[in-house]
Amino acid sequence: DTAVSQTPKYLVTQMGNDKSIKCEQNLGHDTMYWYKQDSKKFLKIMFSYNNKELIINETVPNRFSPKSPDKAHLNLHINSLELGDSAVYFCASSPTDLSGAFFGQGTRLTVV
Amino acid sequence: GENVEQHPSTLSVQEGDSAVIKCTYSDSASNYFPWYKQELGKGPQLIIDIRSNVGEKKDQRIAVTLNKTAKHFSLHITETQPEDSAVYFCAASGYSTLTFGKGTMLLVSP
Repeated sequence: DTAVSQTPKYLVTQMGNDKSIKCEQNLGHDTMYWYKQDSKKFLKIMFSYNNKELIINETVPNRFSPKSPDKAHLNLHINSLELGDSAVYFCASSPTDLSGAFFGQGTRLTVV
Repeated sequence: GENVEQHPSTLSVQEGDSAVIKCTYSDSASNYFPWYKQELGKGPQLIIDIRSNVGEKKDQRIAVTLNKTAKHFSLHITETQPEDSAVYFCAASGYSTLTFGKGTMLLVSP
């Protein structure tokens, strides 16, 4: 009974391709997030959604577009992938945007 | 925005010793301070948290202290075990999302 699940776990793709990462949470949380973890393990917020509405969009290139069809899902679509997009992407959710987040297992994206 | 500094970046201890990781934050409006443990190949896992109306919180071998005046908080792990080896992250949040420290790699040697 995985709380926050994201697919795929690994994604290897060529530069210029478009790819999507899916995320689902079964915790009934109102807020969902996407974080990017670089090679130095630094965790940086990309997006935050509350009840399907975008509330935070950090300085992320507009090639990255989140989509929230309902409050249990937050998918990440990336256009025209670049080498620098290689990282681990984590989906997370929390009851409110003031409390601790529960993370998925991550998607390791490698752009070649 | 919020800025969270975390020290040390690496920490090596012998099994049974205590480990302390320290964080400072910049935004006095922050009022929620969680700690996460990340094992290799896994997502960060919430291990303990503290809110600004509390100075200390314990959960078995783990404790967190908060000094709001000085804007710093610390994680204390007693009687460390090899399975405590992981990367630990502190974070702070106020009215927006969590801002993370850069992580501490803790290595517990048997």
